[in-house]
Amino acid sequence: KAGVTQTPRYLIKTRGQQVTLSCSPISGHRSVSWYQQTPGQGLQFLFEYFSETQRNKGNFPGRFSGRQFSNSRSEMNVSTLELGDSALYLCASSFRSSYNEQFFGPGTRLTVL
Amino acid sequence: DQQVKQNSPSLSVQEGRISILNCDYTNSMFDYFLWYKKYPAEGPTFLISISSIKDKNEDGRFTVFLNKSAKHLSLHIVPSQPGDSAVYFCAASAGGKLIFGQGTELSVKP
Repeated sequence: KAGVTQTPRYLIKTRGQQVTLSCSPISGHRSVSWYQQTPGQGLQFLFEYFSETQRNKGNFPGRFSGRQFSNSRSEMNVSTLELGDSALYLCASSFRSSYNEQFFGPGTRLTVL
Repeated sequence: DQQVKQNSPSLSVQEGRISILNCDYTNSMFDYFLWYKKYPAEGPTFLISISSIKDKNEDGRFTVFLNKSAKHLSLHIVPSQPGDSAVYFCAASAGGKLIFGQGTELSVKP
């Protein structure tokens, strides 16, 4: 069974731009969660989608948004990029919502210049 | 407010010895705890978990201990191997949302 895939793997943007990241979960998994990893902060939860509905949301500004499609693939969008948005963005999938054990993708490394 | 804390950013251990990674939490509502391992350029991989109704869970060389009164959990790796060198994250769950610590980088020297 293929694992969680994320595209692109690396991205360089400038301040003020917007970016869209994509995540394809493991086949059969309907829950997709997004995390931001920065040095010293660990992984911070952004949001979780299940069956195209946002189930949980972390403490991030409204510039961070996401959506999930009927095939469970998910996208995350960040608008008006700031330097502090430079991070590794990870998505994780699980079979059902609120399931503890999640399977992570390799992440998208976003650099904002 | 960091609800899950890993106060040691790094740990160095000799091959064959025990590695002990620590994690503290503040929210008594957490009902499930997990450890993930992360290699560079890869996503975290689930390692071991423990429910709040237990105080110990063992899986091969890995054992997780939970002390609810102290709001502390630890991961023991015995014996440590060079391939265990990675960043280890503890995570706590309440209502399906995982809260991660900052991670501890473990280095196992041959």
